[in-house]
Amino acid sequence: DVKVTQSSRYLVKRTGEKVFLECVQDMDHENMFWYRQDPGLGLRLIYFSYDVKMKEKGDIPEGYSVSREKKERFSLILESASTNQTSMYLCASSAGTSDEQYFGPGTRLTVT
Amino acid sequence: QKEVEQDPGPLSVPEGAIVSLNCTYSNSAFQYFMWYRQYSRKGPELLMYTYSSGNKEDGRFTAQVDKSSKYISLFIRDSQPSDSATYLCAMSGGVYGNNRLAFGKGNQVVVIP
Repeated sequence: DVKVTQSSRYLVKRTGEKVFLECVQDMDHENMFWYRQDPGLGLRLIYFSYDVKMKEKGDIPEGYSVSREKKERFSLILESASTNQTSMYLCASSAGTSDEQYFGPGTRLTVT
Repeated sequence: QKEVEQDPGPLSVPEGAIVSLNCTYSNSAFQYFMWYRQYSRKGPELLMYTYSSGNKEDGRFTAQVDKSSKYISLFIRDSQPSDSATYLCAMSGGVYGNNRLAFGKGNQVVVIP
């Protein structure tokens, strides 16, 4: 079974803090994705990566950056957290040319 | 018009009923269609995956794709309380290349014992 893990289930941060969300997958998948999920808005893609050190902007990259130094690990960084970044953050991965994405359990981030 | 439309519900049904969910889409290049199930406070899990038009059955679940109408459906037979979740449709292909998916907003289903 594909296993995608995220570093925290719940996180509370203050406005202006730098926040790191980590995602690790154990299936040697090439592709990794970061989404945020908000009521009424559904899943929105923030960034994705096809390979180590490669990254592509998704639909809502503003206020976020990413890092992929190793194939199995994809980090999402909030440079200066703001209250409108309070959300559920979901990481996903998929193999090569496959469209089947496998999700982690999510991190519920609250910025106060 | 959004690329993928999905009525958010919620949809409440009695145990044992058939649940019918659907999504419509506008991008005729979509070729791969998926349904994800998401329990409360969990990540989505892949439930069904279909390619192009037709039906696919897996136990109590049936996925249908009608490309001519740009319409996909998920049916759950003999629904159980454990089926209570949010169901998201997703699709890919065409300009949504590079393994990106277009998601519906999700449809919340509650199965009442």
